[in-house]
Amino acid sequence: EVQLVESGGGLVQPGGSLRLSCAASGFTFTTFEMNWVRQAPGKGLEWVSHISSTGHTIYYSDSVKGRFTVSRDNAKNSLYLQINSLRAEDTAIYYCARCIGDMATNDYWGQGTLVTVSS
Amino acid sequence: SSELTQDPAVSVALGQTVKITCQGDSLRNYYATWYQQKPGQAPVLVIYGKNNRPSGIPDRFSGSSSGNTASLTITGAQAEDEADYYCNSRDNSANYEYVVFGGGTKLTVL
Repeated sequence: EVQLVESGGGLVQPGGSLRLSCAASGFTFTTFEMNWVRQAPGKGLEWVSHISSTGHTIYYSDSVKGRFTVSRDNAKNSLYLQINSLRAEDTAIYYCARCIGDMATNDYWGQGTLVTVSS
Repeated sequence: SSELTQDPAVSVALGQTVKITCQGDSLRNYYATWYQQKPGQAPVLVIYGKNNRPSGIPDRFSGSSSGNTASLTITGAQAEDEADYYCNSRDNSANYEYVVFGGGTKLTVL
């Protein structure tokens, strides 16, 4: 059974940092590209970042470019999102999602981890 | 970056057919993908590619596309189809790839 389990969310002050993790199981992690997608409270879905299966190709949305860093450890079946210089507008549930076909198609999603940016 | 536009809310009578649309320039070049999201849950993939349904998605869900508009059709809507529906697609600008989501459509089944 495919499982994606995010962790690392929490309450952080503006300007602070967090490292989100996504533990993958039930599939060959090394062969799948992955996305981070977030959802602010009561709002729609927003794509954050994409990473290729090897980690060599990475893309970010304009809203997080320069502040967020995506990475993966294929030996640990894990995906990460380092989020720095946090702003109130980064408050959201952060989902990791597995890609199939193209980078916009996510067939499995984790349950999400909540990041709250507030003083 | 490009945008995808969805109607904020749509309603359908139980058992009737409803079409949810998604408009944007990226759809001229790339297929839309459709997700269903119920309150407090993660999104679920319902349609991808030309008109592909993942295992477990009922065949009352179908997708189509014409020009800059993609559509998700639910034929014979059920009460359990009441949810938010999001479209997305890939796009690129100056050799930089990205993904864009529509704002979502809240479907009410009456």
